Amino acid sequence: DQQVKQNSPSLSVQEGRISILNCDYTNSMFDYFLWYKKYPAEGPTFLISISSIKDKNEDGRFTVFLNKSAKHLSLHIVPSQPGDSAVYFCAAASGGSYIPTFGRGTSLIVHP
Amino acid sequence: DARVTQTPRHKVTEMGQEVTMRCQPILGHNTVFWYRQTMMQGLELLAYFRNRAPLDDSGMPKDRFSAEMPDATLATLKIQPSEPRDSAVYFCASGTGLGNSPLHFGNGTRLTVT
Repeated sequence: DQQVKQNSPSLSVQEGRISILNCDYTNSMFDYFLWYKKYPAEGPTFLISISSIKDKNEDGRFTVFLNKSAKHLSLHIVPSQPGDSAVYFCAAASGGSYIPTFGRGTSLIVHP
Repeated sequence: DARVTQTPRHKVTEMGQEVTMRCQPILGHNTVFWYRQTMMQGLELLAYFRNRAPLDDSGMPKDRFSAEMPDATLATLKIQPSEPRDSAVYFCASGTGLGNSPLHFGNGTRLTVT
């Protein structure tokens, strides 16, 4: 049973527009959430994170929103650039043990 | 720029053969993870080490998979015997083990079992 779900396998966006990637989780013990970005033939790299005590975290063009009551988080990329084309993994962890559980990933394609 | 190094990058083998994948974590990191990426499951956790001690290998098929850390600079994942369903990309990641610091991933080993 997937505890972290990314229900959209792919997303296509035009350059300059907003990309919104969604992630849902089922385990209420999760209190830390991360997004990783993965290019082909490379390993995932950390992008941005958020603690459950916050509902928003921003880093440049990337913003992560957390809705704890809905057990939902989203990653917004504004404006989207062709170089953002990659697979984005959502991950969640519970305090203390810190073993992240990953979703299946969403493939983002940003068209010029 | 410190990196996690995985070898080999690619491995093609026949069913029944032993496969060994190696990982050199970032110096100073005390947690090491093995993940497997498949189309169906995304990134699955196979094994987790802290200070070289295996703490969680519940995601690993015990009859054929084994993971070890002979020393702080080397982690290995072995499959014996390998099967076609083991074909996937295997990632090693390391971390500081401090709070919620993010993991650093290697570039993976792409395994194909024919």
